[in-house]
Amino acid sequence: AQRVTQPEKLLSVFKGAPVELKCNYSYSGSPELFWYVQYSRQRLQLLLRHISRESIKGFTADLNKGETSFHLKKPFAQEEDSAMYYCALSAIGNEKLTFGTGTRLTIIP
Amino acid sequence: KAGVTQTPRYLIKTRGQQVTLSCSPISGHRSVSWYQQTPGQGLQFLFEYFSETQRNKGNFPGRFSGRQFSNSRSEMNVSTLELGDSALYLCASSFAGGGTEAFFGQGTRLTVV
Repeated sequence: AQRVTQPEKLLSVFKGAPVELKCNYSYSGSPELFWYVQYSRQRLQLLLRHISRESIKGFTADLNKGETSFHLKKPFAQEEDSAMYYCALSAIGNEKLTFGTGTRLTIIP
Repeated sequence: KAGVTQTPRYLIKTRGQQVTLSCSPISGHRSVSWYQQTPGQGLQFLFEYFSETQRNKGNFPGRFSGRQFSNSRSEMNVSTLELGDSALYLCASSFAGGGTEAFFGQGTRLTVV
């Protein structure tokens, strides 16, 4: 069974401070991990995925298979980062996404 | 290019009725997935269609069904509506499925009274 856990429902960070959104997963095979973001009044959109290993809007995420984690990080938070963030997992070659419950990130000016 | 379009945006139905939701994927995308989003359960996978065939199915009762047409447009049907079916239903399309980027629609907000 696939399971994604985001332990923080709400996270508030001051502008300019580092951000870390936690994500842990449970899956017996090799997963594909994603971070999706939903800004206010916008649709859910892909932020980044582990397979591409790129930094998007200053965010990075490293897949740690030993700790089964895929935490999202940004060194300096910006006000426009305020949004709902979802960690998601799929089996390789499978379209089904299993989402975590999401973390609402608020950047305090 | 145009994004994923879901119609209608809002629906109010009575218990026991049935409802059909529509999703038009991005042009060229062959995979369409459906998700139910509720405050209590979050985002849950319903099913995925690829080239008119259901390829994946989530853990929802048989009252939830779907189909995909030759132009990749998809419909989702819920029969014998229950109050608990009130939710935001999201559709996502991708080019080939299997871990490629999923593009989401704005959703259809279904309220069952």
